[in-house]
Amino acid sequence: ETGVTQTPRHLVMGMTNKKSLKCEQHLGHNAMYWYKQSAKKPLELMFVYNFKEQTENNSVPSRFSPECPNSSHLFLHLHTLQPEDSALYLCASSQSSGAYEQYFGPGTRLTVT
Amino acid sequence: GENVEQHPSTLSVQEGDSAVIKCTYSDSASNYFPWYKQELGKRPQLIIDIRSNVGEKKDQRIAVTLNKTAKHFSLHITETQPEDSAVYFCAASTGNTGKLIFGQGTTLQVKP
Repeated sequence: ETGVTQTPRHLVMGMTNKKSLKCEQHLGHNAMYWYKQSAKKPLELMFVYNFKEQTENNSVPSRFSPECPNSSHLFLHLHTLQPEDSALYLCASSQSSGAYEQYFGPGTRLTVT
Repeated sequence: GENVEQHPSTLSVQEGDSAVIKCTYSDSASNYFPWYKQELGKRPQLIIDIRSNVGEKKDQRIAVTLNKTAKHFSLHITETQPEDSAVYFCAASTGNTGKLIFGQGTTLQVKP
């Protein structure tokens, strides 16, 4: 695999479930990002990690918990989500945080029932 | 915080015509302005970007202009083709945080 990969591609979960989204980048980048893309809203930045350290939390509810064990992997742990959390969750990476091109993964389509 | 407004939300042009999409930003400290294209069912991909020390940048049929005084920047696509049909997002970034604030997106339809 090259570029940025995400698993699973589709996920349906109940409001009481716990699940995790996984992102992996094969580009040698040092910064990774989580975005939420809803039908009626622009791309919303959720978290930024630079060299494994979280540098940005865009006022995201605590039911979303990110984890970055190394510069190549990023997780988003989900628990007790709400139906309005249904969206496409996109991961991205860049050379470093700052004014660099961000490369996006294919996204995980999440449906909360 | 930073806010980015994008217009129009939808744009329909005939093949061969030009298309212009405009964005305004609120934070005068913003210094990086990328444009992403997202085809249906696919991931966003960077098509062009501009930094605050440059007023215009071109790449074949695509150009971006930046007016720092007015705090707006625009995407220009000339000689449009059906494969240009997609959603286009502008974004603005400040400093070294990597925090991109996106506009609402413009759905471009190029009619053959």
